[in-house]
Amino acid sequence: NAGVMQNPRHLVRRRGQEARLRCSPVKGHSHVYWYRQLPEEGLKFMVYLQKENIIDESGMPKERFSAEFPKEGPSILRIQQVVRGDSAAYFCASSPPGRTVHGYTFGSGTRLTVV
Amino acid sequence: AQSVAQPEDQVNVAEGNPLTVKCTYSVSGNPYLFWYVQYPNRGLQFLLKYITGDNLVKGSYGFEAEFNKSQTSFHLKKPSALVSDSALYFCAANDMRFGAGTRLTVKP
Repeated sequence: NAGVMQNPRHLVRRRGQEARLRCSPVKGHSHVYWYRQLPEEGLKFMVYLQKENIIDESGMPKERFSAEFPKEGPSILRIQQVVRGDSAAYFCASSPPGRTVHGYTFGSGTRLTVV
Repeated sequence: AQSVAQPEDQVNVAEGNPLTVKCTYSVSGNPYLFWYVQYPNRGLQFLLKYITGDNLVKGSYGFEAEFNKSQTSFHLKKPSALVSDSALYFCAANDMRFGAGTRLTVKP
């Protein structure tokens, strides 16, 4: 019974390149959430998705960042034209419907380093 | 809007002593409250949650939390701290926006 799977665990990109982070939720979970954690800081909510729908993207930067959760396959967080300030750990979490009751299951994160 | 606050960035305790990590909340409607722990270079792990019922909630690794409606608090506690409890602890409320986290350090 696999948990939330994120890949890659570590990702190095040069400034200006694109970063694609993948998240496969717990089997049966239809809700996915992305968070960003800067070194020595808390978790910042980015986006909440259900299959084929963005429910809440209030935490997403207006430019260069996008997220999707297609009908088939993992959720993708995409960062275009990365800058050094994008270096962080990105965590994905999933839940069944009714997140307020069940809480989340987290993945181990993708650590993005922009050089 | 829902929010939680963790007033302490850092908590230091000696091994064997009781520990408390504080969390206060502000939610509309019934509060659903959660505690998670993050070990270095890992994702968050669920510790416990309060949905309804007894104000004292027991969770993983010997942790418990007390829901106090009048003080709008949900403090995490453990009677006897272990060095291995040293980690980053996060409180969350209904919409799963997390507090800033509290770094717990347990010294031998």
